This record gives sequence, C-alpha cells and structure tokens, in this order.
Amino acid sequence: KQEVTQIPAALSVPEGENLVLNCSFTDSAIYNLQWFRQDPGKGLTSLLLIQSSQREQTSGRLNASLDKSSGRSTLYIAASQPGDSATYLCAVRPGSGNTGKLIFGQGTTLQVKP
Amino acid sequence: DVKVTQSSRYLVKRTGEKVFLECVQDMDHENMFWYRQDPGLGLRLIYFSYDVKMKEKGDIPEGYSVSREKKERFSLILESASTNQTSMYLCASSLPGSDTQYFGPGTRLTVL
Repeated sequence: KQEVTQIPAALSVPEGENLVLNCSFTDSAIYNLQWFRQDPGKGLTSLLLIQSSQREQTSGRLNASLDKSSGRSTLYIAASQPGDSATYLCAVRPGSGNTGKLIFGQGTTLQVKP
Repeated sequence: DVKVTQSSRYLVKRTGEKVFLECVQDMDHENMFWYRQDPGLGLRLIYFSYDVKMKEKGDIPEGYSVSREKKERFSLILESASTNQTSMYLCASSLPGSDTQYFGPGTRLTVL
C-alpha cells in the first residue's frame, strides 16, 4: 500500500532563506507527483506537477524534483518571503492511476519570519 | 476561473444527527472527490465519483455515504454523526484524465 511521508511537520525560517521540503513515498510505481499549497482555513492549490518520466519542474522561485527510484521528492523554495507561509502537501497518483485518485502526505507547515 | 463551493465553512452537530455536506462545481467536471483532513494524517479520500449516479469508495468510507444526482453537485452524508468524524472536509473536482484537482475552501465539522 502506497504511503506518503513529509518531514518535518513544521519549519520556521527567517525571510530570505532558501529552503527544502521533503516528501517520500514507499511505492516507486507512481504516475505523477504534485506539490500543493494550503493557506489556513482554505482549500488546496496545485503548485507543481511532475510526471513520472520527469526529474524536475520549476515555477518562479519554486523547483520540485523527483527521484522515483529512491521514492523521494523535494520542493525547493528560493529567497523565501513571509507570503510563502502556508502548509505544503505532496501527493502521488498511483501507477495504476487511471482513477485520478491521489495519496497525500501529512504536510509541512512553513512559517517565514520577516 | 473554476469554482468549487461548499455549503458551509463551519458546522456544529450533535452525536447521532444525520449530516449533509454539499459541494458544487461550476466547470462541468465529471470527477468529484470528498476528503477529510486531520492533523498529522494529511488528506484521506472518503469517496469519489466519475459521473452522475456513480460512486466509488475511497480509503476511509466507513460511516459515510454520498449522492451524485446532478453532475455539478456531490453530497457527503454522515448517516449518524460521531465525535470521531470531527474534522475538516474538503471537496475537489477534475476533468477525466486530468491531474489537476480543484479544491473547495473546506467545511470544518464539529460533532459534540
């Protein structure tokens, strides 16, 4: 059974720091992996999606990498800003994956201090 | 812009009550999903639907049922609410074969 884990559960950094959020999954047979952002009391917004054949995706100050064989993904945030404070979740779509079903990690809550 | 709305942001119910959570999307999406989100557990899929009157169990369907009578509306039903169903409930929708799910703002349900 696929399990997705995110460590740490919470992270606090000063503004301007570069940081890395980690996501690991137990079954390497994935269709794709997504990173989401969730602001307090709100729904989720998709940030980046990496297909199983890709190694990384970039959007602005965000870069997500995928190493399927080791079951790991990282989300790199450059030059962090207080507006980046949110919970970040990763989710995998299983390889059998015609259903669109996603399996989520527990999330990492990021606080960027001014 | 895709919009997914949920009927209530906050809801307080008593143990044993029947509870309806409504989700409506305005983009003609075939796929709709119900998740619950708990601290330390992330999002877990309760039920999903690929078309009107079609439903499939997710990972934690016990104690829940769903209804999809119209394409734009997907209802989550707690037949007899219990305190362990206190949680944040999130609805999402997507097009068939799409990896992008659009989420509603969530309903925070408290069962006393």
